[in-house]
Amino acid sequence: GAVVSQHPSWVICKSGTSVKIECRSLDFQATTMFWYRQFPKQSLMLMATSNEGSKATYEQGVEKDKFLINHASLTLSTLTVTSAHPEDSSFYICSANSEGLAPYEQYFGPGTRLTVT
Amino acid sequence: GQNIDQPTEMTATEGAIVQINCTYQTSGFNGLFWYQQHAGEAPTFLSYNVLDGLEEKGRFSSFLSRSKGYSYLLLKELQMKDSASYLCAVLDSNYQLIWGAGTKLIIKP
Repeated sequence: GAVVSQHPSWVICKSGTSVKIECRSLDFQATTMFWYRQFPKQSLMLMATSNEGSKATYEQGVEKDKFLINHASLTLSTLTVTSAHPEDSSFYICSANSEGLAPYEQYFGPGTRLTVT
Repeated sequence: GQNIDQPTEMTATEGAIVQINCTYQTSGFNGLFWYQQHAGEAPTFLSYNVLDGLEEKGRFSSFLSRSKGYSYLLLKELQMKDSASYLCAVLDSNYQLIWGAGTKLIIKP
């Protein structure tokens, strides 16, 4: 149980275009979803936290107009990287937790590798 | 500020035992997690400690001392597949996960 999927697993896009990444909790309802970014050989950096039906809370330094997060249902959150640039190339990982499961444990998706050319 | 320290890299031999340490200074404490992350993959949950002491789970054990702000992950009977990064993360008073930079563990035959 507690499986989180992400789609796509990897994507290559041209500079200036937008990319949408989906995060789904497959067998549980996610109270909260988290979006992380990870650059090579670095740890996870939390970008934003979202609760279903409400606006995401962004971490300091993360541009909310560039990284659009929509948490439309208890099983789906999306991250849209708008007007992507090569410096946005990174590994994007979502995670989810639920008060009905192990408290405060985050279940991670497999990640999406974004390359902007 | 909030800070989590763990060694950048460690090397161990197949079949041996290795201990990965983590020290933390955070605003409040609601538990400490250890995650394993293979290169190019998402982290996978290993353990969660909120009380002092040792939690054993198969070949992996995790220890916590809240008074010392210290934890370690102990891996026994090392296998080549254990080569990965091990991430320490603390849940602070706002229930936000604060992540360490990770320890890259290299297993040699």
